[in-house]
Amino acid sequence: NAGVTQTPKFRILKIGQSMTLQCAQDMNHNYMYWYRQDPGMGLKLIYYSVGAGITDKGEVPNGYNVSRSTTEDFPLRLELAAPSQTSVYFCAAGTLYEQYFGPGTRLTVT
Amino acid sequence: AQSVTQLGSHVSVSEGALVLLRCNYSSSVPPYLFWYVQYPNQGLQLLLKYTSAATLVKGINGFEAEFKKSETSFHLTKPSAHMSDAAEYFCAVSDASIGGTSYGKLTFGQGTILTVHP
Repeated sequence: NAGVTQTPKFRILKIGQSMTLQCAQDMNHNYMYWYRQDPGMGLKLIYYSVGAGITDKGEVPNGYNVSRSTTEDFPLRLELAAPSQTSVYFCAAGTLYEQYFGPGTRLTVT
Repeated sequence: AQSVTQLGSHVSVSEGALVLLRCNYSSSVPPYLFWYVQYPNQGLQLLLKYTSAATLVKGINGFEAEFKKSETSFHLTKPSAHMSDAAEYFCAVSDASIGGTSYGKLTFGQGTILTVHP
């Protein structure tokens, strides 16, 4: 039982490149979330999903897209990377009352 | 809209001393509140949660927090700090509430880095 896994752990992108951050869970939870963490700012919600095929925007969705075709997977897509997207990205899965976080992806855009 | 304020971005204590990390929240509905801990280069781990049951909540690693509605606070305490408690701590409020539509979305405070000195 791995919980929530994220790949890659680290990535450096050039401005304008695109990439997909992968997130998978093996706990069969309906709720999944993407957060970004910036120093001194806490975590901010990017997108969330309440089940396969259902996604919605969080507090800071600009520049990102998501999809949820299965219960297990919730990838986050960056289409045109910008320096402002340099951050640590966390995926979480859980219930209304408890979320389990993955280990994070550290992304640098230069 | 919900919000969380953590008072003090850095707290330093001696080993064996009381740990007190402050959190105040704003919510238009009875809140669900959480404390998470993050060790360096790791994800977040749930320490404890308040979901409208007992106002004094006990969590892992000897931590506890008390929900005080009149003060809109949910401060985290531990009677005796240990070196292994050094980490960053986050308070969060959920959009989940009794009887309402919610999605478990969390709003986090900015975090408090706890340093423990020998």
